[in-house]
This record gives sequence, C-alpha cells and structure tokens, in this order.
Amino acid sequence: QQQVKQSPQSLIVQKGGISIINCAYENTAFDYFPWYQQFPGKGPALLIAIRPDVSEKKEGRFTISFNKSAKQFSLHIMDSQPGDSATYFCAASTYGDMRFGAGTRLTVKP
Amino acid sequence: DAGVIQSPRHEVTEMGQEVTLRCKPISGHDYLFWYRQTMMRGLELLIYFNNNVPIDDSGMPEDRFSAKMPNASFSTLKIQPSEPRDSAVYFCASVVWGREEGAFFGQGTRLTVV
Repeated sequence: QQQVKQSPQSLIVQKGGISIINCAYENTAFDYFPWYQQFPGKGPALLIAIRPDVSEKKEGRFTISFNKSAKQFSLHIMDSQPGDSATYFCAASTYGDMRFGAGTRLTVKP
Repeated sequence: DAGVIQSPRHEVTEMGQEVTLRCKPISGHDYLFWYRQTMMRGLELLIYFNNNVPIDDSGMPEDRFSAKMPNASFSTLKIQPSEPRDSAVYFCASVVWGREEGAFFGQGTRLTVV
C-alpha cells in the first residue's frame, strides 16, 4: 500500500541549517501534493501543498520542489528552528484518495 | 467549527473485545478518511467516504474492521474482535475536496489492546 516513499526516516539538523525531506510517488493520477506537520499527541496539520503544474512553491521558510517527470517532490525548511522539531509527512492525492509517506522525524538542535 | 472531533481519546481494551471509534467531521466537508498510525507503518489509509458513501476500503486490514457513515456528521470505525496488533493511533480526517486548505485531522484515538 506504500504508494508514496519518503526519506529519510529521521533527520537531525542544527539550528539555522536547512532540512530536506524527499518523497517519490508512482501513481501519475495524483494531482495534489501536500506536506503535513505533526507534533506529539496531535493530529497532522497541513503545512504547505503544491499542484503538478508548478515546479516550486514557497511559503516563508518552507519550500516545496516538484519534479513531475521524475515523480519526486521535496520539502526544504530554511533556517531550521527548534520549534520545527516534529514529524513531517508528505502525501499524494487525487479525488479523495490521499496516501501518506511513512514520515520523517525532524530534530533541530539549538 | 470545533474541528474534527474524535472519541474516545484513549481506549484500553482486552483482546477479543469489540471496540468502536467515533468521528464527527467538520460540517460541510464532503470527504472523510480513517487512518491508522504506527511507528512501523506510518499513516495508513484504512477507508474513505465521499458524501457518506464508502469509496475505497482496500486499506482495511481484515474483516474484523468495519466502518460506517450513517450521515454527514458522524462516522464509526469498529474492530471486532480486537487483537493486540490493532494497537495504534487511529485518526479521522475530513476535507472539502478541491480547496487548498487541505484535510483537517482529529486528535486521534490511542487504542491499546492487551
């Protein structure tokens, strides 16, 4: 069922550094690619999303890069902060069918 | 709106017992999802509904699992009989498809089967 592959499983970054999480998908019918952030004891919450008609989307310190031909997309967190420490999930979806990657546990060290 | 509401937040039950998890989606949302989260498998899609109709239940692990959505404001996920390997956090999420705001998740139900 793992239609979306996510890496790395865990990531440790120094404060101020760049965090990069990668995802790949198989189903070319997917047309919406969100990233979710989850803090302990909470449900995932939408962070940023992209559609395949653009190659990059930036919101503040968060950027999604999208490569349609390679069926890959990635999340870049610039100037990472300790408050960014959380689990990040990529997802791919089309018409209600929303599949998640396995998640990346990000730790930003002060 | 109070968001997606799940109950109970925590459930501890003995193996073989029936467990029912409940979800109240956000009013007006047309899709509802049930996910199971474990360390090993991440977030697994179990089933999703569109306008109260089950669309894809291929993620339901076994016949012991069943889900219903009798109306637009309520859904249940039932496990009968429960087994220790069902222990996980179960999330419900709802969305208006096509909007850019994404899916809204509930707080989850942490199920422990002993």
